Amino acid sequence: NAGVTQTPKFRILKIGQSMTLQCAQDMNHNYMYWYRQDPGMGLKLIYYSVGAGITDKGEVPNGYNVSRSTTEDFPLRLELAAPSQTSVYFCASTSGAFPYEQYFGPGTRLTVT
Amino acid sequence: SQELEQSPQSLIVQEGKNLTINCTSSKTLYGLYWYKQKYGEGLIFLMMLQKGGEEKSHEKITAKLDEKKQQSSLHITASQPSHAGIYLCGADKAKSGGSNYKLTFGKGTLLTVNP
Repeated sequence: NAGVTQTPKFRILKIGQSMTLQCAQDMNHNYMYWYRQDPGMGLKLIYYSVGAGITDKGEVPNGYNVSRSTTEDFPLRLELAAPSQTSVYFCASTSGAFPYEQYFGPGTRLTVT
Repeated sequence: SQELEQSPQSLIVQEGKNLTINCTSSKTLYGLYWYKQKYGEGLIFLMMLQKGGEEKSHEKITAKLDEKKQQSSLHITASQPSHAGIYLCGADKAKSGGSNYKLTFGKGTLLTVNP
């Protein structure tokens, strides 16, 4: 199993550009999450999904959109990138079986200038 | 909303020394998760605690949950350079998936172990 994979690993965007961060898992997990991690600030939940076709907002959803057309994929879309979106983005998934731990991808480091 | 406070924010120890990291919640802890993160990498799950008084160990790392204090501690015995990284605690907002397993995270503790 590859686990949770994310692409790209690094990206530099100009203000106003758009991009999609890709996330895929091969563990057949229903639950998937997108977090952002800012220096010294822990992780903040952006969006999450409980299954294909079902998504919901987390703590900091503004400026982002998601879709979940398959169990495996959970892309995160940034529209009109702003410097405040400079961060490291992590995708995670869980099966919902005890001990309920989330499996994390390696992250995407995004800089908006 | 639930807040998790970790202390200390950073810690530098000499190899072989013991250390403790604390995680305190502003609300009831239904599930407390400890993760480790190496620079530039994703989070690795260490252990999960659910019941008051519960204690779990993995190699030289022991975690305890004190439900009355809404606090968990992570203790590393005889630290090694391989223990270096960021340790984050995460809390489930409800019992057994009631919150769709969403986690609130602390800000992390940066551990440096000098050889």
